[in-house]
Amino acid sequence: DSGVTQTPKHLITATGQRVTLRCSPRSGDLSVYWYQQSLDQGLQFLIHYYNGEERAKGNILERFSAQQFPDLHSELNLSSLELGDSALYFCASSVPDRLYTDTQYFGPGTRLTVL
Amino acid sequence: AQKVTQAQTEISVVEKEDVTLDCVYETRDTTYYLFWYKQPPSGELVFLIRRNSFDEQNEISGRYSWNFQKSTSSFNFTITASQVVDSAVYFCALSGNAGNNRKLIWGLGTSLAVNP
Repeated sequence: DSGVTQTPKHLITATGQRVTLRCSPRSGDLSVYWYQQSLDQGLQFLIHYYNGEERAKGNILERFSAQQFPDLHSELNLSSLELGDSALYFCASSVPDRLYTDTQYFGPGTRLTVL
Repeated sequence: AQKVTQAQTEISVVEKEDVTLDCVYETRDTTYYLFWYKQPPSGELVFLIRRNSFDEQNEISGRYSWNFQKSTSSFNFTITASQVVDSAVYFCALSGNAGNNRKLIWGLGTSLAVNP
């Protein structure tokens, strides 16, 4: 158990809908990362938040948005869902190291199925 | 651009065999970080090891060992005396220098099947 929690574990929804994925980082971790794992593209970085501020964006669609709240939990919002958004969504957290990069610890993931 | 290549898509071994998973990376950063993660059938991603580019010392931890070769841009992972519980997908990942370049760039993974 990494200490990172994600809810829900599974989500089944229809095209055009909107969903919210939630992530609680390990105690003391200030950074939250979101990744998408799909069969055709593998693991892709979506977005990084540090202490409530967005730090880096990857291949995140405009239909997707995220935020990190004052209690450090994060939410990933996916809207106007398409079949191709079906994937496993991971959240990772870390304690940032000022000098070196940090090691990211992953939650169990949320499996999203869009029908 | 940064890139990670895991040429082995699937490997199948018999229990107690040694197995090496290959990873080749590309980066223009002078300081970078390499990782191995394991994804068992249950789906979670489990951190195994991290190496810093400025530390080329290789390491052994129990049945696991890592071989980091900067000259060939490789970061290979070996499991000695494999066990059925080692069956999983193994991912090699690369991260840039600190600052705002902490995202992980992933290889496509190597699926390891250890058969009894």
